[in-house]
Amino acid sequence: DIVMTQSPDSLAVSLGERATINCKSSRSLLYSSNYKNYLTWYQQKPGQPPKLLIYWASTRESGVPDRFSGSGSGTDFTLSIRNLQAEDVAVYYCQQSYSPPYSFGRGTKLEIK
Amino acid sequence: EEQLVESGGGFVQPGGSLRLSCRVSGFTFDTYWMSWVRQAPGKGLEWVANINQEGKDRYYVASVKGRFTISRDNTKNSLYLQMDSLRAEDTAVYYCARDRGSFVWGNYHYYGVDVWGQGTTVIVAS
Repeated sequence: DIVMTQSPDSLAVSLGERATINCKSSRSLLYSSNYKNYLTWYQQKPGQPPKLLIYWASTRESGVPDRFSGSGSGTDFTLSIRNLQAEDVAVYYCQQSYSPPYSFGRGTKLEIK
Repeated sequence: EEQLVESGGGFVQPGGSLRLSCRVSGFTFDTYWMSWVRQAPGKGLEWVANINQEGKDRYYVASVKGRFTISRDNTKNSLYLQMDSLRAEDTAVYYCARDRGSFVWGNYHYYGVDVWGQGTTVIVAS
């Protein structure tokens, strides 16, 4: 099974600044048939189910602000949030969508400094 | 509006059983793979199982294999999770989830979950 490792566990960033969250997989998530990386990012606010932010490592879900961006390939991925807003306070999870079981990272708690 | 509504959670003793249900509305249920994802109190997300549109292909996380069974009834727009031999570590909020995916060269490719229910709580304790 693929193991997903996120870092840091928590992060405090000032309003208007950039937050960066890292995710590493134990094997490559790059699919050779279509050259897409099967890495998904979610945002979960307290008391709510998660929300899909980004799939294929860098494709934003419809309606997600362009302040959110994903990058990376193979085994190393990054979620960046520029111009941090108060409503971005949440826990962020990466998930490998390459093969079942579709494991998640442990999550990164993002707070305002 | 797409809606997933879970039910069936509750308190059960170790070794007991529960059956979770998820009633779906607002989209064509039988055209989607569906999943269950759980979250233990104060912990992260854990993908549990998913099932294809016809109910023939099913996948499970190792920790529930042989104890949990995912199923669906397309005539009732409903997804189920039969949970047997429950353990304390199965205590969690269980989310019903709609898979986002597509077929690439005849193979199903999963991209993630794009619609979530609000969850139902399962507590396993003596």
